[in-house]
Amino acid sequence: DAGVIQSPRHEVTEMGQEVTLRCKPISGHNSLFWYRQTMMRGLELLIYFNNNVPIDDSGMPEDRFSAKMPNASFSTLKIQPSEPRDSAVYFCASSLDTAYGYTFGSGTRLTVV
Amino acid sequence: LAKTTQPISMDSYEGQEVNITCSHNNIATNDYITWYQQFPSQGPRFIIQGYKTKVTNEVASLFIPADRKSSTLSLPRVSLSDTAVYYCLVGDGGANNLFFGTGTRLTVIP
Repeated sequence: DAGVIQSPRHEVTEMGQEVTLRCKPISGHNSLFWYRQTMMRGLELLIYFNNNVPIDDSGMPEDRFSAKMPNASFSTLKIQPSEPRDSAVYFCASSLDTAYGYTFGSGTRLTVV
Repeated sequence: LAKTTQPISMDSYEGQEVNITCSHNNIATNDYITWYQQFPSQGPRFIIQGYKTKVTNEVASLFIPADRKSSTLSLPRVSLSDTAVYYCLVGDGGANNLFFGTGTRLTVIP
């Protein structure tokens, strides 16, 4: 199993540009989570999906952020327009049964200049 | 949402047993206790989960007293590669399990 796959690993973009982060969960997992990690705020849950349906997006910072899960094997997190304060590491995680915990991807390090 | 409290940091020498305690005074009946490990530049990795008493796997042991208001992650004979941040989460498997605290930064010293 290749695990949770995120792309790109690193992204540098200019303020105001659109950024799209991608995630492929582990095959068979039915829940998918997007987290953001910064030194100041630690790990924050942005949104999570169950069976491709968004369940809780209360962690999404503002309307500039949107997430989609068109099918069980793919999800995107989009920031438009990006701002320097969005610079962080964005993690995607998936799970089948939370009794066994979540499997995280390697993250995307986003830098907005 | 059960809040957790952990020490911010700990140091240990190689070969020592390390115990990291997490307080969760308002844990609910349906809540499980889960620990994750995070290395720099990597996502958190599931270590162990338990509900009560003791759970052991190839990586660690988890001790949970009868009142379940705290839990202790025990790492036997740590090595330099165990240097990481360790997070304690408490929840029932729904949204309550999805919030990480500040974690405990463990530094293993040669």
